[in-house]
Amino acid sequence: GESVGLHLPTLSVQEGDNSIINCAYSNSASDYFIWYKQESGKGPQFIIDIRSNMDKRQGQRVTVLLNKTVKHLSLQIAATQPGDSAVYFCAENINRGFKTIFGAGTRLFVKA
Amino acid sequence: GAGVSQSPRYKVAKRGQDVALRCDPISGHVSLFWYQQALGQGPEFLTYFQNEAQLDKSGLPSDRFFAERPEGSVSTLKIQRTQQEDSAVYLCASSPGTGNYGYTFGSGTRLTVV
Repeated sequence: GESVGLHLPTLSVQEGDNSIINCAYSNSASDYFIWYKQESGKGPQFIIDIRSNMDKRQGQRVTVLLNKTVKHLSLQIAATQPGDSAVYFCAENINRGFKTIFGAGTRLFVKA
Repeated sequence: GAGVSQSPRYKVAKRGQDVALRCDPISGHVSLFWYQQALGQGPEFLTYFQNEAQLDKSGLPSDRFFAERPEGSVSTLKIQRTQQEDSAVYLCASSPGTGNYGYTFGSGTRLTVV
């Protein structure tokens, strides 16, 4: 399939290590945040979300941290696996709106 | 169906040709979105439907772009007189309600205008 994110920032990690992907957002009115994973040739896949009244949320092997003071969002992946290799997008909704705005994306490469 | 289905998977159009891209959302999903994704970029919002009503079309790049969802299920994105800058992956997504939820995306239609 076609490649996604040919010129994106890249994070390379060893299999089994933890990964941290960072994202800065600019709109202080953003109140809902989502991380998506996109593999080549596929649409984005929902990973985890967090609302602005929280600063941390955990899922299976993933944790999202939200720092509203500095408008920063991060995704932590524990025990990274080769199947985690993909492009990761942070996304935000503003003022309880339905429109999701995507960031530029980060490519995660997992070395076996 | 189990997921969001888009067709065709790939489309090559000659400049000036009209194209129609189809989206079958998850059954019962109220909200439907179209996004455009250029190579190496994040998806960009085009338009939003709540059932059959098009509530936001602010992201459509020009009046050559038109979307409809006449019965509140299947949606079609039509591009008239295609231009090379229209080349992109067009993604459809749906969600069950009208609040803030993560979307379920289809695999997209890759449009190449030659």
